[in-house]
Amino acid sequence: RKEVEQDPGPFNVPEGATVAFNCTYSNSASQSFFWYRQDCRKEPKLLMSVYSSGNEDGRFTAQLNRASQYISLLIRDSKLSDSATYLCVVKPLDSSYKLIFGSGTRLLVRP
Amino acid sequence: NAGVTQTPKFQVLKTGQSMTLQCAQDMNHNSMYWYRQDPGMGLRLIYYSASEGTTDKGEVPNGYNVSRLNKREFSLRLESAAPSQTSVYFCASSEGGLTGTGNTIYFGEGSWLTVV
Repeated sequence: RKEVEQDPGPFNVPEGATVAFNCTYSNSASQSFFWYRQDCRKEPKLLMSVYSSGNEDGRFTAQLNRASQYISLLIRDSKLSDSATYLCVVKPLDSSYKLIFGSGTRLLVRP
Repeated sequence: NAGVTQTPKFQVLKTGQSMTLQCAQDMNHNSMYWYRQDPGMGLRLIYYSASEGTTDKGEVPNGYNVSRLNKREFSLRLESAAPSQTSVYFCASSEGGLTGTGNTIYFGEGSWLTVV
């Protein structure tokens, strides 16, 4: 079983739609959680950190459920420019330098 | 505003050849990393350097060596390339350890390596 699991998609949605991705992690001792965005043939970039109380950044909302060990990302009012792969990332408690990356969920936003 | 720069961007090697991927960061970061990314898999840590003068194995170190040349530079060497090392390699850096949500890891643009 992968340590961080994501639905690979693709999620194909029209502009303006709301779309949600989930991610599950297996290590209950995980410490920190993030969503990264990766455009085609580009490097990953931090989209947002995920806090225990949930957090919002514009059209993006991230939620953490420690009891069920899953993280979610909600994108409202999707834009064409949101088309990318979204990586769920977990930092385990036992290392200050290691991140565990999910394989990503691909989002396609169509006109 | 360069950030993390890695070279070469593309390389084709024959099985058994050696090569070094170069990486430099201009953010005065203490920690540097090498990852590989394969289709259907998340990025996997090959080696990391918590600070100048130290290196440690990550998840998939076999077949690779690294050198933290100075605070800015962290190179990855393939001594005898194998087809299984065909991948996209990303160098990254962070100010320090990744504890806490405030410390971000920054990636270079990637190096596409094909071993035939």
